[in-house]
Amino acid sequence: DIQMTQSPSSLSASVGDRVTITCRASQGITNDLGWYQQKPGKAPKRLIYAASSLQSGVPSRFSGSGSGTEFTLTISSLQPEDFATYYCLQHSSYPGTFGPGTKVDIK
Amino acid sequence: EVRLVESGGGLVQPGGSLRLSCAASGFTFSDPYMDWVRQAPGKGLEWIGRTRNKANSYATDYAASVKGRFTISRDDSKNSLYLQMNSLKIEDTAVYYCAKDWNGSPEYWGQGTLVTVSS
Repeated sequence: DIQMTQSPSSLSASVGDRVTITCRASQGITNDLGWYQQKPGKAPKRLIYAASSLQSGVPSRFSGSGSGTEFTLTISSLQPEDFATYYCLQHSSYPGTFGPGTKVDIK
Repeated sequence: EVRLVESGGGLVQPGGSLRLSCAASGFTFSDPYMDWVRQAPGKGLEWIGRTRNKANSYATDYAASVKGRFTISRDDSKNSLYLQMNSLKIEDTAVYYCAKDWNGSPEYWGQGTLVTVSS
């Protein structure tokens, strides 16, 4: 199975900050990667698919980049509603595997 | 509006069985692949299985952790997805989500149903 790692595992940030989360795959996955946001007690929500395509309805402050083994999720200006846990997911080979998550909380 | 509603969760003893259902609305259910993803309490997400559509013979894939114990099926006439879980283990305790797949990964998710395996 392809293993996914994320860094950092957690971060504290302020409203308005630029936030970057990195996801690395144990082998190349081209652009078969998505990013998800999950708030406590809620289902995950897809933000990005195909590494860099913005899911319909998701604010443009979210962006994704990368290909191969290294990917990033960037929030250009953190908003109060963005405090959550973020997961990457590779679906290049089955079973798809999620990263362990990055918790973004208020500084 | 896409809507997915899971049901059937509850408390079950180790070795027991449970069948989860997922009622779908707001899209043509027969078109997409459908996924099951679970999340153990306080833990991360685990993609446990997928069923393809009729055009792809309803083929299924499973994670190693559930293969041989869990079975995914769908009834396109009822807009419903199912997860039959047998030989349940304590480590299967989790919230189970169904999801509509698009572009290779879960797109829209239900609210989840909790399965607790305990004696």
